[in-house]
Amino acid sequence: QKEVEQNSGPLSVPEGAIASLNCTYSDRGSQSFFWYRQYSGKSPELIMFIYSNGDKEDGRFTAQLNKASQYVSLLIRDSQPSDSATYLCAITGSNYKLTFGKGTLLTVNP
Amino acid sequence: KAGVTQTPRYLIKTRGQQVTLSCSPISGHRSVSWYQQTPGQGLQFLFEYFSETQRNKGNFPGRFSGRQFSNSRSEMNVSTLELGDSALYLCASSSSAGEETQYFGPGTRLLVL
Repeated sequence: QKEVEQNSGPLSVPEGAIASLNCTYSDRGSQSFFWYRQYSGKSPELIMFIYSNGDKEDGRFTAQLNKASQYVSLLIRDSQPSDSATYLCAITGSNYKLTFGKGTLLTVNP
Repeated sequence: KAGVTQTPRYLIKTRGQQVTLSCSPISGHRSVSWYQQTPGQGLQFLFEYFSETQRNKGNFPGRFSGRQFSNSRSEMNVSTLELGDSALYLCASSSSAGEETQYFGPGTRLLVL
């Protein structure tokens, strides 16, 4: 099993809809969970981080963490065409290394 | 505050050559991590440096090496380049060891011919 798994997509949603991005991980000792956004040809930029079970909201973004089920998700409400990018899930495992998933390509259609 | 800077931004080399990439972290950040990004493998961790010491290392061959200077600037070196080393090399800085929130530089795109 890969350490961090994401559906590669592409995930296509209409403008104004909710985009749901999911990530599962294998290391039960993982402590910190991050979502990065990467536009084509650019470097990743941090969107959110979450450490505790439950939801964390920041504007249109909500991160959800369920350690028992070993998944973390990112919801984007009122999706905009400018949200079209690759979303990377990253997790700090028990070895203190940050491991990235391969990313999910999101396309928001006007 | 200025962000993470990387030089050069683009590089073309031939097989067998070596290359050195440079990264200057955000002012005050003491931890620098390096990643290789390719379409097939995604973002893969190379190594992390803190206070001039390598704290963590990924699963890359010994041709990949790095170092950090007393001003926290870091360099990575790849010797005996192979075609498969063509990638985007990203540097990320964080404020301290164990501070996982990392901020990425623009990357160096390396093409090996």
